[in-house]
Amino acid sequence: SQQGEEDPQALSIQEGENATMNCSYKTSINNLQWYRQNSGRGLVHLILIRSNEREKHSGRLRVTLDTSKKSSSLLITASRAADTASYFCAPPYNAGNMLTFGGGTRLMVKP
Amino acid sequence: DSGVTQTPKHLITATGQRVTLRCSPRSGDLSVYWYQQSLDQGLQFLIQYYNGEERAKGNILERFSAQQFPDLHSELNLSSLELGDSALYFCASSARTATGNTIYFGEGSWLTVV
Repeated sequence: SQQGEEDPQALSIQEGENATMNCSYKTSINNLQWYRQNSGRGLVHLILIRSNEREKHSGRLRVTLDTSKKSSSLLITASRAADTASYFCAPPYNAGNMLTFGGGTRLMVKP
Repeated sequence: DSGVTQTPKHLITATGQRVTLRCSPRSGDLSVYWYQQSLDQGLQFLIQYYNGEERAKGNILERFSAQQFPDLHSELNLSSLELGDSALYFCASSARTATGNTIYFGEGSWLTVV
């Protein structure tokens, strides 16, 4: 099935460092969304990148999309303790905008 | 705040019982999605509605059902509950059903079956 697979599964860094999370998917897509989830909370939408965009920025976030490699990456620069969360990429499963989720990357930012 | 409202936030019930989870989508959003998140299964898509009609079905059990009402709010009904149904249930909404529409999630309803 079409679901994003995040790598690494877990990442621990110090505050101020950059965090990079990768996502791979299986079939062609025309967009991909990234989400953050704090423990036990709802998913917060971070960014949507379309297939005609190679890179997109939002504050300290930078997302890339390589459709030829079926991969995407999320970079968080100058990380903060508040960035500690799980991060999910979500490619659409079908034209109906159904999203599928992998296991996510659990990011811990140590103060 | 995503604008998606879910009630109740927490629910504890016994096996065999039936519960209803309610969702109010963001203002103007026509599409509603239900997801289940558990430790062993991760985030699983259950069902999608668009303007009152079912659009897509995922891993939804026959004991579960949902509907979207004319005012666009949605309910997820879970019956004959089992211990394994304990999970966080999310509702999400988007303006349209076509791919590329940002999907916004609510805070979820924690269901514990004892």
